[in-house]
Amino acid sequence: LAKTTQPISMDSYEGQEVNITCSHNNIATNDYITWYQQFPSQGPRFIIQGYKTKVTNEVASLFIPADRKSSTLSLPRVSLSDTAVYYCLVGDPIKAAGNKLTFGGGTRVLVKP
Amino acid sequence: DTEVTQTPKHLVMGMTNKKSLKCEQHMGHRAMYWYKQKAKKPPELMFVYSYEKLSINESVPSRFSPECPNSSLLNLHLHALQPEDSALYLCASSQDGTDEKLFFGSGTQLSVL
Repeated sequence: LAKTTQPISMDSYEGQEVNITCSHNNIATNDYITWYQQFPSQGPRFIIQGYKTKVTNEVASLFIPADRKSSTLSLPRVSLSDTAVYYCLVGDPIKAAGNKLTFGGGTRVLVKP
Repeated sequence: DTEVTQTPKHLVMGMTNKKSLKCEQHMGHRAMYWYKQKAKKPPELMFVYSYEKLSINESVPSRFSPECPNSSLLNLHLHALQPEDSALYLCASSQDGTDEKLFFGSGTQLSVL
């Protein structure tokens, strides 16, 4: 399983763009990159998933360079409610018998007024 | 319905008690997961069920006993727990274990006295 490394914490202000980079140097050919958001006392929530280049949805964008050894989650114009822990996961979605998904350390994002 | 429902939300138990955590989903998902999360730490995978069969057991102590009565239900039976087992227990589901998009419940906050 590819190990991931993220910054422990980041501070930002309302209305700014937040970019969180995740390193995954030993990512395998079939691995996808998935990001989750977690608020206190709640379960993680899927944000976005990608394999290469750029993926965008209504919540975030995910940038993946050609070598795929890192990825960057971009949160546009954050608000106070975006204060949460963000986890980067790397794994092969095409596996039988369940999926052994391991969470890395996560990045605590604090959005200030 | 895109929810994973966990009950109870909070549980306090003594070390000699037997209790069960329950998880339910009605999304037609065929893979279900138990994770354990200590404060300010990432979720740790405990068990994975795929098509109602236990496919992954992450060397969890036998005082934790999972059960999957049908494709919508997942239980975690607890017996003779230790204070260090106090944590947030998260249930999740995914489509068929080959899709990395996990749907998490809000968890059961367990305190062992």
